[in-house]
Amino acid sequence: SQQGEEDPQALSIQEGENATMNCSYKTSINNLQWYRQNSGRGLVHLILIRSNEREKHSGRLRVTLDTSKKSSSLLITASRAADTASYFCATVSSASKIIFGSGTRLSIRP
Amino acid sequence: ETGVTQSPTHLIKTRGQQVTLRCSSQSGHNTVSWYQQALGQGPQFIFQYYREEENGRGNFPPRFSGLQFPNYSSELNVNALELDDSALYLCASSSTSEDIQYFGAGTRLSVL
Repeated sequence: SQQGEEDPQALSIQEGENATMNCSYKTSINNLQWYRQNSGRGLVHLILIRSNEREKHSGRLRVTLDTSKKSSSLLITASRAADTASYFCATVSSASKIIFGSGTRLSIRP
Repeated sequence: ETGVTQSPTHLIKTRGQQVTLRCSSQSGHNTVSWYQQALGQGPQFIFQYYREEENGRGNFPPRFSGLQFPNYSSELNVNALELDDSALYLCASSSTSEDIQYFGAGTRLSVL
């Protein structure tokens, strides 16, 4: 079973709009990471946030982490057609277990 | 490109056969993790190897086994293949067990 559950499962927005994806998890973590995957290919790391951090930015990406609610969100601002992909959160625990969520499929309409 | 290479890219096997998938880690990485990704799902953690020892395992039966070699390359072996083993198998390397995972492009296994 997967610890992370992403919401929504699918998201379709107009180019230029912002996209927000949420991730909830169940157990305590050392860090939480977000990855992107283009269809049928390997995953690419986007951003890592540690359990003692609340917010992190990288370019057009903004990640928040609320350990009391066991949730994280990924915001992509000013979306582009090239952002079309599946996005996954992954939690890393002290047991060196890396658990991915079920993913959000993001489609950017031109 | 991540520098993590997997072979083969595609593979077709029949039920009951055995398969070996290979992964070359990115230079400088001593940790490798394997994942199974069914269509439309997130990657499921199979196991992780650190310095040639298993360092964490997901909910997969013993017929899924692995090896890590002194040069940190790795193999995933699956015995007695079942139809449900059809999936994309992803290898990822990292410099520590908690660190950023660098993924290969995967091996797509079809079991008929």
